[in-house]
Amino acid sequence: EAQVTQNPRYLITVTGKKLTVTCSQNMNHEYMSWYRQDPGLGLRQIYYSMNVEVTDKGDVPEGYKVSRKEKRNFPLILESPSPNQTSLYFCASSLEAGGEGYTFGSGTRLTVV
Amino acid sequence: GQNIDQPTEMTATEGAIVQINCTYQTSGFNGLFWYQQHAGEAPTFLSYNVLDGLEEKGRFSSFLSRSKGYSYLLLKELQMKDSASYLCAVMRNFNKFYFGSGTKLNVKP
Repeated sequence: EAQVTQNPRYLITVTGKKLTVTCSQNMNHEYMSWYRQDPGLGLRQIYYSMNVEVTDKGDVPEGYKVSRKEKRNFPLILESPSPNQTSLYFCASSLEAGGEGYTFGSGTRLTVV
Repeated sequence: GQNIDQPTEMTATEGAIVQINCTYQTSGFNGLFWYQQHAGEAPTFLSYNVLDGLEEKGRFSSFLSRSKGYSYLLLKELQMKDSASYLCAVMRNFNKFYFGSGTKLNVKP
């Protein structure tokens, strides 16, 4: 089944403890993105990648890192999480920039205490 | 950031037609997307408009006017399962996406 898989689905952590949210897609997509979704603010793009080793900042990249060493994987790294990074995170992938749009993962609900 | 505006909430009756508007201000425009998001779930792709005009896909249609910075999503023959949030998103420079806050649609019997 064609899908974007994120792990974990839920995570509660403490301030300052490094964490990684994994994202993997099995559709051979070139484009991948990370978003956070907060009430009243909608989805905001954190980072995106156009291909292996090609990444760039989205609208809200502060406090996050990404890497794209393989086409299928696009992990999101929080080196020193803070409470304002408590949010619902989505990974998404697409074959092309427009066309059929992005396929989203099921989301990761992160709480930083 | 980019200014993308859509109504916060709308209510419509099963079987009716509803139009959800989206206005935007941006440079480097490369297209406008509509997504549906049911509560607690991931967004799913509905439509993509890059040229002016109407795109029809079954019960859903989407319209774009680039000169006016305006789009709408038209839902016909509303069903209870259409109760969801509808997200408008603008693509800039083929990689950057800016989403509106979403319109929560309530479909009543």
